[in-house]
Amino acid sequence: GNSVTQMEGPVTLSEEAFLTINCTYTATGYPSLFWYVQYPGEGLQLLLKATKADDKGSNKGFEATYRKETTSFHLEKGSVQVSDSAVYFCALRRANRDDKIIFGKGTRLHILP
Amino acid sequence: EAQVTQNPRYLITVTGKKLTVTCSQNMNHEYMSWYRQDPGLGLRQIYYSMNVEVTDKGDVPEGYKVSRKEKRNFPLILESPSPNQTSLYFCASSPGSGEQPQHFGDGTRLSIL
Repeated sequence: GNSVTQMEGPVTLSEEAFLTINCTYTATGYPSLFWYVQYPGEGLQLLLKATKADDKGSNKGFEATYRKETTSFHLEKGSVQVSDSAVYFCALRRANRDDKIIFGKGTRLHILP
Repeated sequence: EAQVTQNPRYLITVTGKKLTVTCSQNMNHEYMSWYRQDPGLGLRQIYYSMNVEVTDKGDVPEGYKVSRKEKRNFPLILESPSPNQTSLYFCASSPGSGEQPQHFGDGTRLSIL
């Protein structure tokens, strides 16, 4: 079946470090891929998306590239800030009859000043 | 302002006392969904609705009911709440297309004693 697997957290980094959060997926067809971010006490917000192979989504310094050959959508940022501390969710959405959205379990990120 | 509004934000109640969590969106979205978020389990879908009068079970529907009589509203009903339904609940909506991200409410924290 369709699924999303993310690296388990928590991930702890110092400010200005390079960030990678791994995400791989299994899906039939050609899903759209998303990264959402959840700040403490809030709901999920869309961070970036990609809808087809080799697309790169980017926002707020974060990037992720839709890699169909490796079924991956890893999230990267060159220099993290304390304000990036949050939980990050990778997700896919099937573009078929039920449009079901499948989330990874989330990765908690702590950035130390 | 485009938003998904959930009420209440917090509720403490007792086993067996029926409760309803309301969800309303002002974006004319076809697709609406309920999730619960639990530590270590990420987001799990409870029910979803593709349009008015069309609802379907997600991954963890037991103990919950929903209705979609109007496009904007998608209430979650717990007919006889139990302690294992203590959780953080999120409502979300999106256009029907598989490429579109979901918009999330701010969450409802339910405690069932």
